[in-house]
Amino acid sequence: AQSVTQPDIHITVSEGASLELRCNYSYGATPYLFWYVQSPGQGLQLLLKYFSGDTLVQGIKGFEAEFKRSQSSFNLRKPSVHWSDAAEYFCAVGQGVQGAQKLVFGQGTRLTINP
Amino acid sequence: NAGVMQNPRHLVRRRGQEARLRCSPMKGHSHVYWYRQLPEEGLKFMVYLQKENIIDESGMPKERFSAEFPKEGPSILRIQQVVRGDSAAYFCASSPVTGTNTGELFFGEGSRLTVL
Repeated sequence: AQSVTQPDIHITVSEGASLELRCNYSYGATPYLFWYVQSPGQGLQLLLKYFSGDTLVQGIKGFEAEFKRSQSSFNLRKPSVHWSDAAEYFCAVGQGVQGAQKLVFGQGTRLTINP
Repeated sequence: NAGVMQNPRHLVRRRGQEARLRCSPMKGHSHVYWYRQLPEEGLKFMVYLQKENIIDESGMPKERFSAEFPKEGPSILRIQQVVRGDSAAYFCASSPVTGTNTGELFFGEGSRLTVL
């Protein structure tokens, strides 16, 4: 069965600093990978996704992620964080792209931004 | 262009009561998914439905929980005889029809159930 691990439960960075959130997955086939962001009391918003092709994917809000098959990782990065980036970030792996997009989520990483 | 609409946003029930959560998918979407988020945890898949059909309910608890997506109207997640452990945020997501599905789920803002 597929699984997703986000090793860091809570990360604090200073505004303007770079950010990397880690995500490791376990999946037998080529994974469909996603990063979602959840602001307090809100739903989830898709930041970016990887299905195939270029292993470096660009998303919204200046985020990017790199798929590394050899490391089973899909880490999220941003060169310079803003105070508005404070939120919970979830990595997910999906099984199947046609129809049933059943996602398995990691436990999330809470990002705090210091002014 | 409305997104996925869930109501109520907050629901308080006493133990033993029933909770009904509603979800209207995005326009043009015929696939609905329900996820549960327990405090301090990620989302866990519960059930996947298309109109009038349950496609995958492998994440649904065996008892007290049911879901439907009728031909007309919203999808309903029903929890009978609620217990304190049912307190969670319940998220609905939708996606387009097969063949045009990019694999992305569009999430609602969730319904937060508190059981007293």
